[in-house]
Amino acid sequence: DVKVTQSSRYLVKRTGEKVFLECVQDMDHENMFWYRQDPGLGLRLIYFSYDVKMKEKGDIPEGYSVSREKKERFSLILESASTNQTSMYLCASSLPSSLTDTQYFGPGTRLTVL
Amino acid sequence: SQKIEQNSEALNIQEGKTATLTCNYTNYSPAYLQWYRQDPGRGPVFLLLIRENEKEKRKERLKVTFDTTLKQSLFHITASQPADSATYLCALATGGGNKLTFGTGTQLKVEL
Repeated sequence: DVKVTQSSRYLVKRTGEKVFLECVQDMDHENMFWYRQDPGLGLRLIYFSYDVKMKEKGDIPEGYSVSREKKERFSLILESASTNQTSMYLCASSLPSSLTDTQYFGPGTRLTVL
Repeated sequence: SQKIEQNSEALNIQEGKTATLTCNYTNYSPAYLQWYRQDPGRGPVFLLLIRENEKEKRKERLKVTFDTTLKQSLFHITASQPADSATYLCALATGGGNKLTFGTGTQLKVEL
């Protein structure tokens, strides 16, 4: 079974702090994604990556950056956390679209910025 | 603008009945559409995928239809059980590389 793990289930940070959210997948997937999920807004794509060191902006990249130095790991970085970044953050991975179209999600990190 | 709509109101049904959830979209021409299940505090889990040239797809008690003319997908759970209670999300392929756009989800509650 595909396993996607996220570094923390719950995280509390202060405004202005630099925040790292880590995601690791164990199935050698090329594609990795970061979403945030808010009530009434659903899942919104922040960034995605098709390969190591490659990244593309999603629908709401402002205030975020990402890093993919190894195939299995995709990090989301909040350079200076703000209260409007309080949310549930979900990581997902998938094989290339030529093989399959399913995304596998991690359990999520609930981030609170005070 | 592009939009994916799912009924934001929770759907309450009685055990044993068929639950039908709706996903409508505008200004997209997706190659496929997916349905995911999400339990509270957890990530979504893939259930079914239906492609634009398929009218219907089944998996055990689940059935999905896809009408590209109406721009609508219906998701049915037959003989529903309390364990089916969850939020169900539809997602459309909206770009290359498995890029998906999700609806906001419909919460289903199956009561005894």
